[in-house]
Amino acid sequence: NAGVTQTPKFRILKIGQSMTLQCTQDMNHNYMYWYRQDPGMGLKLIYYSVGAGITDKGEVPNGYNVSRSTTEDFPLRLELAAPSQTSVYFCASSYSQGGSYNEQFFGPGTRLTVL
Amino acid sequence: GENVEQHPSTLSVQEGDSAVIKCTYSDSASNYFPWYKQELGKRPQLIIDIRSNVGEKKDQRIAVTLNKTAKHFSLHITETQPEDSAVYFCAARPSNDYKLSFGAGTTVTVRA
Repeated sequence: NAGVTQTPKFRILKIGQSMTLQCTQDMNHNYMYWYRQDPGMGLKLIYYSVGAGITDKGEVPNGYNVSRSTTEDFPLRLELAAPSQTSVYFCASSYSQGGSYNEQFFGPGTRLTVL
Repeated sequence: GENVEQHPSTLSVQEGDSAVIKCTYSDSASNYFPWYKQELGKRPQLIIDIRSNVGEKKDQRIAVTLNKTAKHFSLHITETQPEDSAVYFCAARPSNDYKLSFGAGTTVTVRA
């Protein structure tokens, strides 16, 4: 298993540009998450999904959109990039069934700079 | 929602000494408490977790303790080594929620 993969690894955007961060997992996990981590800070949840076709906002969703058309993929869309969106973005996934909850596996991250 | 506080924010220890990081949580319904380690420039990785039906869990040099009454849990690292230097995050998950709430992180530096 490749686990959770993210592309690209690095990206520089100009203010106002848009882009999609890709996330794919091959573990058949039902839950997927997007976090951002600012330098020297903790993880802030942007969006999450509990299954294909179901998404919900986390604590910092403004300026982002997501979709979950398949179990494997959970892309994050940035519209009208702003310098405040400069951060490292982590995708994560986990499997939950019957009320039990298991480890979140993280992807390698995408380092985004908006200039 | 759940609120997780983590202390200290930085911790410097001599190699071979022990390190302890403490977290408190607000939601008494939380039942899952993982600890993640993040090395510089890397992704967070789970090092140990504990569920609310257990008071303590050990894995070699690391252990986690949980006090449900006081709503706090702690990570203990014994015989610290240079490779233990990293940022450590605690987290908590309420039983009726799909997501984790993370603490702000503790930067641990092990001095040789």
